[in-house]
Amino acid sequence: DAGVIQSPRHEVTEMGQEVTLRCKPISGHDYLFWYRQTMMRGLELLIYFNNNVPIDDSGMPEDRFSAKMPNASFSTLKIQPSEPRDSAVYFCASSLVSGRSYNEQFFGPGTRLTVL
Amino acid sequence: AQTVTQSQPEMSVQEAETVTLSCTYDTSESNYYLFWYKQPPSRQMILVIRQEAYKQQNATENRFSVNFQKAAKSFSLKISDSQLGDTAMYFCAFMKHWDGGSQGNLIFGKGTKLSVKP
Repeated sequence: DAGVIQSPRHEVTEMGQEVTLRCKPISGHDYLFWYRQTMMRGLELLIYFNNNVPIDDSGMPEDRFSAKMPNASFSTLKIQPSEPRDSAVYFCASSLVSGRSYNEQFFGPGTRLTVL
Repeated sequence: AQTVTQSQPEMSVQEAETVTLSCTYDTSESNYYLFWYKQPPSRQMILVIRQEAYKQQNATENRFSVNFQKAAKSFSLKISDSQLGDTAMYFCAFMKHWDGGSQGNLIFGKGTKLSVKP
């Protein structure tokens, strides 16, 4: 399996522009997580989905952020309009729980976003 | 709410030596999981080791072992025979156990930057 795939790997944009980050989870996984990593706040959850349904979006900073999972093999995180403080590394992770008590979350390589 | 604290922002160790990274956490949950993740310069998050809170035996994975003290809410990582490839950020993480076959998110500490010197 190719693992969790994220695109783009790097994104540089100007303040006010729309940014869309993409994630393809491992095939068959039923959970998908979006995390953000900054120097100040470390790694924190933004939102997660179970079987394409958002379960917890309490970590989404504000209305400028939105996430969708239209099918089991694709998710997007959109920022509109972007601001310099959104500069961070955004990770997508997926796991296959399927009724078990635990299973490992596999992380993608991350997208480094720079907003100028 | 759960919190994870790593009090050592940076550490260094000589190759082949042993190093211990500290982690404490706070939770009112009785059943949970604890993890150590490694993040090398490539940025990839790699699971190093996992501990279930209900297990008294400390987890081990080759050169990596943990000292899990549930009452003290402490979860340290020991790396034996350190190798240059162990140079990375190390994150301690907590995940609550969910009944009914569901899962929640990981809660991470701020990380410890480990440098292994030749």
